[in-house]
This record gives sequence, structure tokens and C-alpha cells, in this order.
Amino acid sequence: DADVTQTPRNRITKTGKRIMLECSQTKGHDRMYWYRQDPGLGLRLIYYSFDVKDINKGEISDGYSVSRQAQAKFSLSLESAIPNQTALYFCATSDRSSGGARNEQFFGPGTRLTVL
Amino acid sequence: EDQVTQSPEALRLQEGESSSLNCSYTVSGLRGLFWYRQDPGKGPEFLFTLYSAGEEKEKERLKATLTKKESFLHITAPKPEDSATYLCAVQAFTGNQFYFGTGTSLTVIP
Repeated sequence: DADVTQTPRNRITKTGKRIMLECSQTKGHDRMYWYRQDPGLGLRLIYYSFDVKDINKGEISDGYSVSRQAQAKFSLSLESAIPNQTALYFCATSDRSSGGARNEQFFGPGTRLTVL
Repeated sequence: EDQVTQSPEALRLQEGESSSLNCSYTVSGLRGLFWYRQDPGKGPEFLFTLYSAGEEKEKERLKATLTKKESFLHITAPKPEDSATYLCAVQAFTGNQFYFGTGTSLTVIP
């Protein structure tokens, strides 16, 4: 089974609709992230969370909100979807570094979202 | 402002033709520089972490190196299965965010 899972994998919606993307992980990591990927722009951070009570805005948080329901679950919501939110969305996890030794991120398979 | 620039955007190699990918970065105190591989339709897969200038890491045909301003991903005698997009990311000591480059799309022709 995959360590980081995302649902749904594909979603087509209309402008103005509320959308929730979900991420679950079995890696036991405390840190979770949401990114979007657009052609030519690379991965950009939307929100990140270092534990259940810690939520932080990333580079492009406007129009998005998140919820960390448990250590293993981190959801991303688009309150009122617009066409320029059409993108590939990735969830990632990382473990709190121990002496700075390992801080790499592990990514889910992605959700392709299309807003018409 | 922290930023990452990767070059070239795309690279086509014949099988066995060695080359290097570049990642230039500007960051206020480097916590770590990361290389990932991304196959079409999939999430990025971690390859290496480099922490200080002069450090090198190797894995099969890949070798990553780091200076104070850039990192190189050297690919020795590539095979078609090495075809993918290679992403570079940096994390600064100040703040906890990761900043990604736009990637280099590598195609290895048999």
C-alpha cells in the first residue's frame, strides 16, 4: 500500500463549487504539506502543518484553506473554485529532522483538478 | 528572496551519453538542497539531500554535488529508464518552506 494517498485522483468541477482534496499518510510523519504544480511554474507551496495544532500559510494560500484532522490526515479545500485553480495538487510529508540529518519530503500520487 | 533556477529546461541524450543538470539557488542560509525525480502522472520521488558545499552523493548512475551557489546532478551513461523530470528544491534555515525549481525534463534515446 502507498505511504501517502490522495483522494480523489481526478476531479472536474465548475466555477464557484466547493472542493475538498484529502491526503492520508501511514509514514507516521508529523509534517504535512500541500503543493500545486503548474506547467512552467514548478511546485508551489499552498499550506503546511507541523502538527495537528499548527497550520501555516505557504507561498500561494489565497483561495485555499486546510484542516489537519489528525496526524495522518490533511485536507485542502477550495471554498469557491475558479478556473485558474486548475492544476495538479500534491500532498507531501516529512519527518521532524533529528540533528538535521534527514528532512526530505515524500509525495503522494497527486490530484488532477480541472475547474470549468 | 529565496529562489531556485534549473537548467536546461529540457535535455535529450543518447543512451550512454553522460551529462549534467544544473540547479542554481539563492537562499539566506541553506538548510538543505534536495533532488527529486518525477515521472509523468506521478509525485516526485526523493533522490538526494545535500547540506554543505563540497558534499557529494551517489546513487547508481546519478551523482549530486553542491557548491555555495549551485548543485549539479551528473548522469553517467544514462539509460532510457532514466528519462524523467528532475526537480531541485532548497530549504532555508529561516522559515520552514521548501522552494522548488521548475525542473529539467530528461529524455534518453535508445
